[in-house]
Amino acid sequence: DTAVSQTPKYLVTQMGNDKSIKCEQNLGHDTMYWYKQDSKKFLKIMFSYNNKELIINETVPNRFSPKSPDKAHLNLHINSLELGDSAVYFCASLSLGGVEQFFGPGTRLTVL
Amino acid sequence: GENVEQHPSTLSVQEGDSAVIKCTYSDSASNYFPWYKQELGKRPQLIIDIRSNVGEKKDQRIAVTLNKTAKHFSLHITETQPEDSAVYFCAVGRGGSYIPTFGRGTSLIVHP
Repeated sequence: DTAVSQTPKYLVTQMGNDKSIKCEQNLGHDTMYWYKQDSKKFLKIMFSYNNKELIINETVPNRFSPKSPDKAHLNLHINSLELGDSAVYFCASLSLGGVEQFFGPGTRLTVL
Repeated sequence: GENVEQHPSTLSVQEGDSAVIKCTYSDSASNYFPWYKQELGKRPQLIIDIRSNVGEKKDQRIAVTLNKTAKHFSLHITETQPEDSAVYFCAVGRGGSYIPTFGRGTSLIVHP
């Protein structure tokens, strides 16, 4: 009964490939996020979705495209992967009117 | 936009000592101040939070204090234990369309 889940947990791929990371939350939350955590542990917000609609897109290259098929899912697709994309990617969710974010377990992406 | 500074970046203490981590912010309209703990290889998890109408909040060995005039808030951990070793993040946000800004994190090491 994991609240926020992500797949895969680890992803190792070559430069130039396209990959996707999936996120699902079973909390009934309305808002979902994607964060990138680099090797220095800085948590940088990438996207925020509210009820399947994009409400924020920080300065992220357009190689990154979020897709929200329904309120419970927010997937992240990355085209033409680069070495600098190596990081841990966290999905998170938030209830309507709430302030506590619930994070997924993270996906460690390694680009070779 | 909001600017959050967190200090120190690394904090090393002996078991039983107290630890204090401080964050400053820039937007006086911010009204929600959570602290997240991230153990090695795990997801960030909320450990305590405070809202702008309160000056201090305690939960067992952890406490958070807020000075709205000076725009800073601090996390206090008393009687530290080795299991307190982790990276701690402060965050700042507002209700409504909630997009928190995270500090850069403090790596706390508690030596037995």
